[in-house]
Parts: sequence; structure tokens; C-alpha cells
Amino acid sequence: DQQVKQNSPSLSVQEGRISILNCDYTNSMFDYFLWYKKYPAEGPTFLISISSIKDKNEDGRFTVFLNKSAKHLSLHIVPSQPGDSAVYFCALGSGATNKLIFGTGTLLAVQP
Amino acid sequence: NAGVTQTPKFRVLKTGQSMTLLCAQDMNHEYMYWYRQDPGMGLRLIHYSVGEGTTAKGEVPDGYNVSRLKKQNFLLGLESAAPSQTSVYFCASSYSTLLGPYGYTFGSGTRLTVV
Repeated sequence: DQQVKQNSPSLSVQEGRISILNCDYTNSMFDYFLWYKKYPAEGPTFLISISSIKDKNEDGRFTVFLNKSAKHLSLHIVPSQPGDSAVYFCALGSGATNKLIFGTGTLLAVQP
Repeated sequence: NAGVTQTPKFRVLKTGQSMTLLCAQDMNHEYMYWYRQDPGMGLRLIHYSVGEGTTAKGEVPDGYNVSRLKKQNFLLGLESAAPSQTSVYFCASSYSTLLGPYGYTFGSGTRLTVV
């Protein structure tokens, strides 16, 4: 049973527009919510995170939103750039276990 | 600073062969993890370790064994490879404190094909 779902396998956006990536989860035990970015033939790299006590965290062009009541996480990228084209994974974790559970990933393509 | 280094980067095995994947980190991290990535499945945790000499099962441990004899190294073994183990394997490490805000540091992966 998939605890963490990214329902959009792919997303195509024009350069300069907003990219919105979504992640839904089923379990309320998670303390930390992270986004990772992955280029082909490379390992995932940490992008941005948010703890369960917040509903928004911003870092430059990247903003993560957390809606705990809806068990929904989203990543906004504004403005989108061609270099943002990659697979994005959401990852949820508990401080009690220090383990991350990953979503299935969304392939973002930013068109010039 | 090398971070997390995985060897080998590529390998082709015949069914029934064995091999060991090596992960080394130079960040003095306590926790280390092995994940596999398959199309449409995301990254799934195979085994993990919370410190030298300790290991634990993750979500998909069957067919794999691990060892953490030294803090900086985490080995993943396949005793008798099967085609279902064809995947990309990622090692990661982290501090023992709460996950956020930095999460894990990943290696660049090992692409394994079992024929």
C-alpha cells in the first residue's frame, strides 16, 4: 500500500511560468517533508524541506506548502527555468525512525 | 569532500551470481541506507543502519544482506542474483539527529542488470 503518492508522472511547463508538483500521503505520523531533485545518471539531491509545525517554507524560487488536514504537500517553482528539468521526489520522514519514504516521482520538463 | 561514493557504477550479473555493492561516506554520518529505484515505484528502502555494527530491514529486504563493520562503509550483498533485482541502487547517509532540514546525502547510484 503506497503511503506516499505523486499522481502526476510528468509535467511540462513553459520557461518563466510556475511549476506546481504535488504529493499526497496517507499516514499522519510524518514529522518532516522534503523534496529531492534528480538528474539522469545522478543521485537525488536535497532541494527544500518543511517540518510538520509549519505550512510554508520558501527558498529563492522554490516554495513548499504543507496542508496537514488534507495530507497534501506541494512544491512551487517560480519562475521555472530549463535547468529545473529533472525528476522530483517528495520524501516523508519521522524523527522517531530517521527513515524517509519516497513518492514515485514527477518528471518536470521546462520548455524554453 | 567526496560525500557518498558508490562502487561499482555499472554491473551485469548472470542469474545466480553473487556480488557486493560498496558505499563509503566521509561525512561522519551515523545513519546509512540502501534504496533501489525502479520505474513507477520511486525509491524503496532495502536495508539501513543506525550505527557501526547495526543493521535493520527496510521495505524490500528479501534477497539482500548488508554489513556495517566500519562507520564509513555500508555494504549491500546479493547472494544469488535474480532478474527481479535489476534496478538502480542508491546509497545514502544522514546524521543521527532529526531528519530536517537537510535530509539524506545520496551517492550517484549503481546500475545493476541481472540476465
